[in-house]
Amino acid sequence: EAGVAQSPRYKIIEKRQSVAFWCNPISGHATLYWYQQILGQGPKLLIQFQNNGVVDDSQLPKDRFSAERLKGVDSTLKIQPAKLEDSAVYLCASSFTLGQPQHFGDGTRLSIL
Amino acid sequence: KNEVEQSPQNLTAQEGEFITINCSYSVGISALHWLQQHPGGGIVSLFMLSSGKKKHGRLIATINIQEKHSSLHITASHPRDSAVYICAGYYGGATNKLIFGTGTLLAVQP
Repeated sequence: EAGVAQSPRYKIIEKRQSVAFWCNPISGHATLYWYQQILGQGPKLLIQFQNNGVVDDSQLPKDRFSAERLKGVDSTLKIQPAKLEDSAVYLCASSFTLGQPQHFGDGTRLSIL
Repeated sequence: KNEVEQSPQNLTAQEGEFITINCSYSVGISALHWLQQHPGGGIVSLFMLSSGKKKHGRLIATINIQEKHSSLHITASHPRDSAVYICAGYYGGATNKLIFGTGTLLAVQP
């Protein structure tokens, strides 16, 4: 079975620029998660979708971060404008449904100059 | 207080040694997930368990629900086991949120 696909693998931008990440979950997985992992820390949940609806976005900095999963399959996460503290690895995960084991992608490593 | 705590934070072992990583968690967590993350890489799921013990190859995970404690053991460790091992707990409820520990950085030397 194909895993969770993320792109790009790496991205370098200057502060105040915009950036977007893409995630394609495992086929048939209803739940999709975006995490932010700052170096030396565990992942922090940014947003969780169940199909195309948002289940939890309580830790998403909504003034600059946005995410969508319009057709309930793949998803994009956008940062606009980026700040230095946004430098992190952005991980996407999916699960068959809520409560089932999460499968993670390889992540996108974002560096802000 | 962190809801999921791991120890040790860093661990160096010689090839062939038996390794144990510990995880304590708070009330409300219904299941635990052990994950492996290589430098620059994504996260690989090793085990998800809510009771008892699970084994896969040289990896063994145990959980004691009464003591709210889980351990990950690696037998006959190898340099390729070098990675960050993360314990994460599932809270019940509508979102079933996954709460992560800060990870254990394991280095196995040849």
